[in-house]
Amino acid sequence: DGGITQSPKYLFRKEGQNVTLSCEQNLNHDAMYWYRQDPGQGLRLIYYSQIVNDFQKGDIAEGYSVSREKKESFPLTVTSALKYPTAFYLCASRETGCGETQYFGPGTRLLVL
Amino acid sequence: ILNVEQSPQSLHVQEGDSTNFTCSFPSSNFYALHWYRWETAKSPEALFVMTLNGDEKKKGRISATLNTKEGYSYLYIKGSQPEDSATYLCAGSYGGATNKLIFGTGTLLAVQP
Repeated sequence: DGGITQSPKYLFRKEGQNVTLSCEQNLNHDAMYWYRQDPGQGLRLIYYSQIVNDFQKGDIAEGYSVSREKKESFPLTVTSALKYPTAFYLCASRETGCGETQYFGPGTRLLVL
Repeated sequence: ILNVEQSPQSLHVQEGDSTNFTCSFPSSNFYALHWYRWETAKSPEALFVMTLNGDEKKKGRISATLNTKEGYSYLYIKGSQPEDSATYLCAGSYGGATNKLIFGTGTLLAVQP
């Protein structure tokens, strides 16, 4: 089955700790995206990558870092510098040059202990 | 700052009722309008992508229209069923090739059997 997987489903972060959220896709899509959802707000773009070894900051990139070493993987690290990390995180991918639709994973909920 | 707005915030209808939601978006530098359905504990599912003024799309009992001149889109559900219960998200994309989506906060639809 083709699709996007995110792991873990729930992640707990201790104060001062960096944590990494996984996003993998087997759709052979070039572009990948990370969004954050907070209660009462729309999804906001954290980082995006249009091709391997390249990525751009979105609207709320501060306190996050990403890498894109492989086409199928776009991990997001939530650093200890982020003051309010508790949120729901969604990863998406898109096949560039072939329509505009982004396809989403099931999400990871990050909680702070 | 680009702002996409959806109304109403939530909606409760009876099975068999027809309903509609509104998405308002900035017209300047507009590229495409996306509708997603997001059921609890699942990934957001793409419903429609529309780009041209006057576009109309249909998928079963769900349809959508687009007015790019005045900056709004309507989503219609005919004869609502309990399985239609979900959050319906709209998002505008601006800036062309990068496909950065600006999401509204969603309309939560609950269909009572």
